[in-house]
Amino acid sequence: QVHLQESGPGLVKPSETLSLSCIVSGYSISSGFYWGWIRQPPGKGLEWLGNIYHSGTTYSNPSLKSRVTISVDTSKNRFSLKLSSLTAADTAVYYCATYYSGSGSYYWSSWGQGTLVTVSS
Amino acid sequence: QSALTQPRSVSGSPGQSVTISCTGTSSDVGGYDYVSWYQQHPGKAPKLMIYDVNKRPSGVPDRFSGSKSGNTASLTISGLQAEDEADYYCCSYAGASVLFGGGTKLTVL
Repeated sequence: QVHLQESGPGLVKPSETLSLSCIVSGYSISSGFYWGWIRQPPGKGLEWLGNIYHSGTTYSNPSLKSRVTISVDTSKNRFSLKLSSLTAADTAVYYCATYYSGSGSYYWSSWGQGTLVTVSS
Repeated sequence: QSALTQPRSVSGSPGQSVTISCTGTSSDVGGYDYVSWYQQHPGKAPKLMIYDVNKRPSGVPDRFSGSKSGNTASLTISGLQAEDEADYYCCSYAGASVLFGGGTKLTVL
């Protein structure tokens, strides 16, 4: 069973860059699937941030594209998110998840527990 | 690129059925049979309930079912139980993008 665990700072300052990592266990990232980031502001809905394939191909939410960078490190079986130019509106729980993509299917099959990031000075 | 449209809330009594709609466009919901639904209890990560419009992962009760017509997908929960009270989100593959619905709060009366 795939297990994902987010790690990163819980508090970041406005205008800075957020860096989060997601450690994957129970499955090798280089074996396939997409790996993605989703966030949820307090009391609000889910927002897709972007996906990365094990080869390094990335897809990002057009509304955030210029601020989002997703990378993968297959040697450490982890992938990472960088979100720049932070504002208070970026305060949210950030989830990493597996975007299953095989046999003609696409869905979020496994999720991390989520990590709350607060943007405040 | 807008979020998929879901009703803000629905409610039903134990034993009843409720249906949650998810409306998109021909570029997402209507263009692919890759709609999935997620249940989220407070403070928890979302849980997959339906994928590929109408398929249930193992372990999900058959009280949960999905369907699609045109640009609108639906999640139906029959025989409502207290533990079904949660937020529900639809999600659609959209080519090089992924869209979520705004979420629907299900209240079991």
